[in-house]
Amino acid sequence: AQTVTQSQPEMSVQDAETVTLSCTYDTSENNYYLFWYKQPPSRQMILVIRQEAYKQQNATENRFSVNFQKAAKSFSLKISDSQLGDTAMYFCAFMKPRAYSGAGSYQLTFGKGTKLSVIP
Amino acid sequence: DAGVTQSPTHLIKTRGQQVTLRCSPKSGHDTVSWYQQALGQGPQFIFQYYEEEERQRGNFPDRFSGHQFPNYSSELNVNALLLGDSALYLCASTIWRRGEGYTFGSGTRLTVV
Repeated sequence: AQTVTQSQPEMSVQDAETVTLSCTYDTSENNYYLFWYKQPPSRQMILVIRQEAYKQQNATENRFSVNFQKAAKSFSLKISDSQLGDTAMYFCAFMKPRAYSGAGSYQLTFGKGTKLSVIP
Repeated sequence: DAGVTQSPTHLIKTRGQQVTLRCSPKSGHDTVSWYQQALGQGPQFIFQYYEEEERQRGNFPDRFSGHQFPNYSSELNVNALLLGDSALYLCASTIWRRGEGYTFGSGTRLTVV
């Protein structure tokens, strides 16, 4: 079974500054997906960024980028130029793709989350 | 293009009662998964439906059951409610043959008293 660990329950950052959220995971799989989801007070889980394990290049989406270290099983999220609207819970998640048979495919395993506050 | 819609948004039930939550997937999506998110925790996988069949199931008792309809919408049923079932229930959808990630709804907040 896969596990996802987020070791920072809460973090804060000044607006326009940069912050990095940590995530580590444990799996014996070689191919998988990793995600960062954002959950604002509106409750909807919003996809921030996705990384495919077989791609060595780190994913980037505008102000959001990841540092994916496959051997270390680490997947951190960097938010640049932080904005007040970035205030939310951030969840790291792991998923095995459909190509794998057996239990767990297509099933997201989440960490416990990091509460990020952007301070004006 | 409508995203994932869930109903109701809030619900209060009494211990021992039964509840049904509903989900319409994003247009074009054919796979629905349900998650339970307790306060202050990450979502926990309940089960997943594709082609009207339960394909995967998490570590939840048989009191939790579901259904998927031909139009891909889904229901989550919980029988004999316990206080511990109080949580946010999230529905998420994706395309089975692509399976690159899920789109989530805003959830149903269930309170059991």
